[in-house]
Amino acid sequence: DAKTTQPNSMESNEEEPVHLPCNHSTISGTDYIHWYRQLPSQGPEYVIHGLTSNVNNRMASLAIAEDRKSSTLILHRATLRDAAVYYCILRDPNFGNEKLTFGTGTRLTIIP
Amino acid sequence: ETGVTQTPRHLVMGMTNKKSLKCEQHLGHNAMYWYKQSAKKPLELMFVYNFKEQTENNSVPSRFSPECPNSSHLFLHLHTLQPEDSALYLCASSQGTIYNEQFFGPGTRLTVL
Repeated sequence: DAKTTQPNSMESNEEEPVHLPCNHSTISGTDYIHWYRQLPSQGPEYVIHGLTSNVNNRMASLAIAEDRKSSTLILHRATLRDAAVYYCILRDPNFGNEKLTFGTGTRLTIIP
Repeated sequence: ETGVTQTPRHLVMGMTNKKSLKCEQHLGHNAMYWYKQSAKKPLELMFVYNFKEQTENNSVPSRFSPECPNSSHLFLHLHTLQPEDSALYLCASSQGTIYNEQFFGPGTRLTVL
């Protein structure tokens, strides 16, 4: 599986936007970029995914670089509930990849 | 609530005990997964079931024995565990396995004494 690199931790003020970066320089042309997050004492939850174009949903936006070697998860207005570990994961459906291969993720702290 | 429930939420067992973890999904999914999350380590996939058939065993020791009697239920039978098996065990489900969103349960916190 292609590898992703994320900062270990980030802090942000409440009600401000948060940009969580992910580097994936060895991404293949068919890898989808997925983001999950894990709130304290809970299992991970899906946030968003994309292939080439930027994506928006009710939780977040995903900005994908033109060369696809990096991406950024954007939380438009962070709340205390967004404090979690955020995981950036690559998945290639063409290889029957059933796995979610989690790294260590970015621990996001929201400052009130 | 994600639609995936796990019981018990906490379990303490001795190394000679036999216990089982239970997972149930109410989402109509056909794929179910067991993951292990140890302290300070990334989540690791253990097993995958698709339409009740095991499709992946990620080199898990035989002291962990999964069972999937139907698409809604998944068990993890535990016997003669070691203290290093203490971890959070997470169950997940998805509609199909290929890149579809996985829904996770809250996990069972297991402590092996």
